[in-house]
Amino acid sequence: DTEVTQTPKHLVMGMTNKKSLKCEQHMGHRAMYWYKQKAKKPPELMFVYSYEKLSINESVPSRFSPECPNSSLLNLHLHALQPEDSALYLCASSPGVQGARSPLHFGNGTRLTVT
Amino acid sequence: AQKVTQAQTEISVVEKEDVTLDCVYETRDTTYYLFWYKQPPSGELVFLIRRNSFDEQNEISGRYSWNFQKSTSSFNFTITASQVVDSAVYFCALSGQGGSEKLVFGKGTKLTVNP
Repeated sequence: DTEVTQTPKHLVMGMTNKKSLKCEQHMGHRAMYWYKQKAKKPPELMFVYSYEKLSINESVPSRFSPECPNSSLLNLHLHALQPEDSALYLCASSPGVQGARSPLHFGNGTRLTVT
Repeated sequence: AQKVTQAQTEISVVEKEDVTLDCVYETRDTTYYLFWYKQPPSGELVFLIRRNSFDEQNEISGRYSWNFQKSTSSFNFTITASQVVDSAVYFCALSGQGGSEKLVFGKGTKLTVNP
């Protein structure tokens, strides 16, 4: 079983909906990541939180809004998405002290479909 | 700029065959880290191995082995006596020095092991 838990596993939403993706880890990791993965493509980094502060935003559109309420939780708030935002959204964590030099622990992802 | 190239898009083998997945990287950093991740159909990326640029020792873990050669900027992955459960997409990834949280992924190689 993965140590990074993502909910929901599947989400279908309309372009006017507001929804949130959730991610939780209890490994004491201090860095958490959101990745987006389109079919047959590698994961693309969206956001990084390090010690609960946003450290990287890869020029992601504002319709995606991350939030890190505490060191164990990471949310991704979605609003007014477009059909091209349909993808697998992966959350990951790492110890945080070595950046991406540490292996990332990934969750199973949320498969998002925007209709 | 950092880049990872996995030239093999898809590989199909029969069970018990050996298979090698190629990975070539580009970086100007003197210290860097290389990774392999496995992504089965369930979606979760599973960490397999990390190598730093100062450690060129090859590594073997069960049926898996890795050949790191700085002279050719390659970090190839071999599965010996492949099994159906090895079917997945395999990603090679690179992280540079400086503590950046950004991991650069290759495009992935889809391995299908047929019974």
